[in-house]
Amino acid sequence: DGGITQSPKYLFRKEGQNVTLSCEQNLNHDAMYWYRQDPGQGLRLIYYSQIVNDFQKGDIAEGYSVSREKKESFPLTVTSAQKNPTAFYLCATKDRSSYNEQFFGPGTRLTVL
Amino acid sequence: EDQVTQSPEALRLQEGESSSLNCSYTVSGLRGLFWYRQDPGKGPEFLFTLYSAGEEKEKERLKATLTKKESFLHITAPKPEDSATYLCAVQNTGNQFYFGTGTSLTVIP
Repeated sequence: DGGITQSPKYLFRKEGQNVTLSCEQNLNHDAMYWYRQDPGQGLRLIYYSQIVNDFQKGDIAEGYSVSREKKESFPLTVTSAQKNPTAFYLCATKDRSSYNEQFFGPGTRLTVL
Repeated sequence: EDQVTQSPEALRLQEGESSSLNCSYTVSGLRGLFWYRQDPGKGPEFLFTLYSAGEEKEKERLKATLTKKESFLHITAPKPEDSATYLCAVQNTGNQFYFGTGTSLTVIP
């Protein structure tokens, strides 16, 4: 069954802690993206990766880090440097062709206590 | 600066009452315009891709159209299960994606 999985679905963090959000895909897509979604705002790009072992910062990368060691996986770490991390986090993938759409995972809701 | 504006922010329709959602965009070079449906607490679900002005695509009660400045998502005879937030996004020739804030649609039985 092809698709994108994100885990966990809900995550609670205390201030000062780092947390890692998982994103796995079996669509064989080259590109992977992390977005943040806040009420009343459009999706904002955190990081993206076009190929394994390479990634670029998006518009709001401060306080976040990523890795891309495998084509299937693109984990996002929310560090204690992120000032307002409570949000809904979405992972997306895209096929190699420049004209293709992104597909999204089910999301992880992070709440900082 | 590339950007996407969706209107209205929220729309309430009676079941069977057709209407349209608007997506206005400014982009340096359009590679594609995308429509997504998002249910509460879930990831966006892909609906349509439009590539050039004049293009139209249909799926069940939904029809998406594209001009050089905007796209419309027409909903014909909506049902309660069509209630969701509809997102519009554009991709420019630099392969950057820009998303609108969405239109929240409620269809009342």
